[in-house]
Amino acid sequence: EIVMTQTPLSSPVTLGQPASISCRSSQSLVHRDGNTYLSWIHHRPGQPPRLLIYKISTRFSGVPDRFSGSGAGTDFTLKISRVEAEDVGVYYCMQTTQFPDSFGQGTKLEIK
Amino acid sequence: EVQLVESGGGLVQPGGSLRLSCAASGFTFRSYWMHWVRQVPGKGLGWVSRVNSYGNSTTYADSVKGRFTISRDNSKNMLYLQMDSLRAEDTAIYYCVRGSSGWYGVDYWGQGTLVTVSS
Repeated sequence: EIVMTQTPLSSPVTLGQPASISCRSSQSLVHRDGNTYLSWIHHRPGQPPRLLIYKISTRFSGVPDRFSGSGAGTDFTLKISRVEAEDVGVYYCMQTTQFPDSFGQGTKLEIK
Repeated sequence: EVQLVESGGGLVQPGGSLRLSCAASGFTFRSYWMHWVRQVPGKGLGWVSRVNSYGNSTTYADSVKGRFTISRDNSKNMLYLQMDSLRAEDTAIYYCVRGSSGWYGVDYWGQGTLVTVSS
């Protein structure tokens, strides 16, 4: 199983300031079809998890453009350009390149 | 609007059984793979099982293989997870998740249903 490691595990941020979360995989996430199936998921308490980004950098339907993803191979980053109150919660990276699908441990974003 | 509503969770003794259900709406259910993902309280997410759009191909995490069975009824837009020989470590919130279209992954998630295995 591919192990996904996120840093930091907790990130206190000020409203309006940027935030960044890193995710590293134990193996390359490049699929045999040439795509890299790395997603970012946001989970707010009391709400269902929500897909933000897929294939490293493609924003899912309805996701604000303050969220962006980047990276390649084994190293990936989620950036929030200006944090808003609704962005609190836990962020997970997820790989679906190789069976079984696996998740990072989660990064808790909280407002200072 | 895509909606996934889980039900069937509850308290069960070790060694017992439980059947989770997921009612899907807002999309053509029979066209999508479906997954179950769980979250142990206070911990992260873990993939459990998936079924193809026809219901004739299933895969499982090693931790549940031989004990859990995923199935679907496309005529009723329903997904199921039959959980047998339950263990304390199966205690978790179970999420019904839709497989994505056009790329390998998942997109929409349900609210989850809590399963507690305890004597």
